[in-house]
Amino acid sequence: DTGVSQDPRHKITKRGQNVTFRCDPISEHNRLYWYRQTLGQGPEFLTYFQNEAQLEKSRLLSDRFSAERPKGSFSTLEIQRTEQGDSAMYLCASSPMGSEKLFFGSGTQLSVL
Amino acid sequence: DQQVKQNSPSLSVQEGRISILNCDYTNSMFDYFLWYKKYPAEGPTFLISISSIKDKNEDGRFTVFLNKSAKHLSLHIVPSQPGDSAVYFCAASASNNDMRFGAGTRLTVKP
Repeated sequence: DTGVSQDPRHKITKRGQNVTFRCDPISEHNRLYWYRQTLGQGPEFLTYFQNEAQLEKSRLLSDRFSAERPKGSFSTLEIQRTEQGDSAMYLCASSPMGSEKLFFGSGTQLSVL
Repeated sequence: DQQVKQNSPSLSVQEGRISILNCDYTNSMFDYFLWYKKYPAEGPTFLISISSIKDKNEDGRFTVFLNKSAKHLSLHIVPSQPGDSAVYFCAASASNNDMRFGAGTRLTVKP
């Protein structure tokens, strides 16, 4: 399978806990994106990387959120001190340089109780 | 800020008829537009796109029309098939920067 892979598919956590999600992009894609989607809304941009450099962050990405892509391959998204409002589907996407087309993973569904 | 808007949350059409999904945008810097299709429990998948230098792009049963003066684009599916039933997202980007999505339109194609 050469698509975008996200792990875990589902995460249930208690308010105040930290969670970390992983994304493995398509191997030759140097751009990697994180989006968040809540019910009835479209994906909202959080941040993106070109290789290992984090080039843009949305103001939605509060200081409790941090994303890394240490070797320009897989990426992690960490949420510290989770809140109920963080409950959402977290989507990762990748694209090759010069292409506008994003390839999405199946997402991680986070539920904060 | 809702830079990309899909004002119809749902659309129902009969199999074989045309489906028309609409999208409006506010940012005049957007120069590339895409439609994504999403089934339950899956991520969005790319369907069709159009550059701002064009006003129409066709791929089989799917055609996207762009009206830059009105900041409006539409996706036409003809003939519609039951397998087309999904949520369709309109998306736009400016010079290969982050992509903005609409809220989606749920299309139901009835047999």
